[in-house]
Amino acid sequence: QQQVKQSPQSLIVQKGGISIINCAYENTAFDYFPWYQQFPGKGPALLIAIRPDVSEKKEGRFTISFNKSAKQFSLHIMDSQPGDSATYFCAASIRTSGSRLTFGEGTQLTVNP
Amino acid sequence: NAGVTQTPKFRVLKTGQSMTLLCAQDMNHEYMYWYRQDPGMGLRLIHYSVGEGTTAKGEVPDGYNVSRLKKQNFLLGLESAAPSQTSVYFCASQEYNEQFFGPGTRLTVL
Repeated sequence: QQQVKQSPQSLIVQKGGISIINCAYENTAFDYFPWYQQFPGKGPALLIAIRPDVSEKKEGRFTISFNKSAKQFSLHIMDSQPGDSATYFCAASIRTSGSRLTFGEGTQLTVNP
Repeated sequence: NAGVTQTPKFRVLKTGQSMTLLCAQDMNHEYMYWYRQDPGMGLRLIHYSVGEGTTAKGEVPDGYNVSRLKKQNFLLGLESAAPSQTSVYFCASQEYNEQFFGPGTRLTVL
């Protein structure tokens, strides 16, 4: 059972544009929502994360928006750059349960120059 | 610090052969994980460990076994490889809420 659904599967954006990736979750016990970034041939790495007590978190060009009532969260990449081309995974966990992460299916982002 | 390392980087097996993937971390983390990554399916948890000597099943454990005899090492075994186990395998260790991933092992089963 896939508890975290991610869309779109792939995304092509022009340099300078905004990239938006969406995730929806089912388990209301989830209380930690990270995004991981994966470059080809590498393992995923933590990009940014949010807890449900805030609706938005921003780090540089990357912003997470969180909607607790809709059970959705999204990653916005402002001023997208070719170097942002990677696969992005959303994830969710329950911090008190050993923090096992449930990952979305991933979004392959391509930023054209 | 080397972080999380995985051995080997690539491997080709024939159906029915066995092999062991090694994961090592030098960050003294208690929690370690094995995932497989397949196109369009994200990262699926195979097995995990919350400390030395402990292991537990994840989402897709069938056909795999694991051992955590030392805190820094987490081994993933395939006793009788099948073509369905062709995948990229990632190991991760965890501190607080952040997982640190290794570079992956690309396994092909013919």
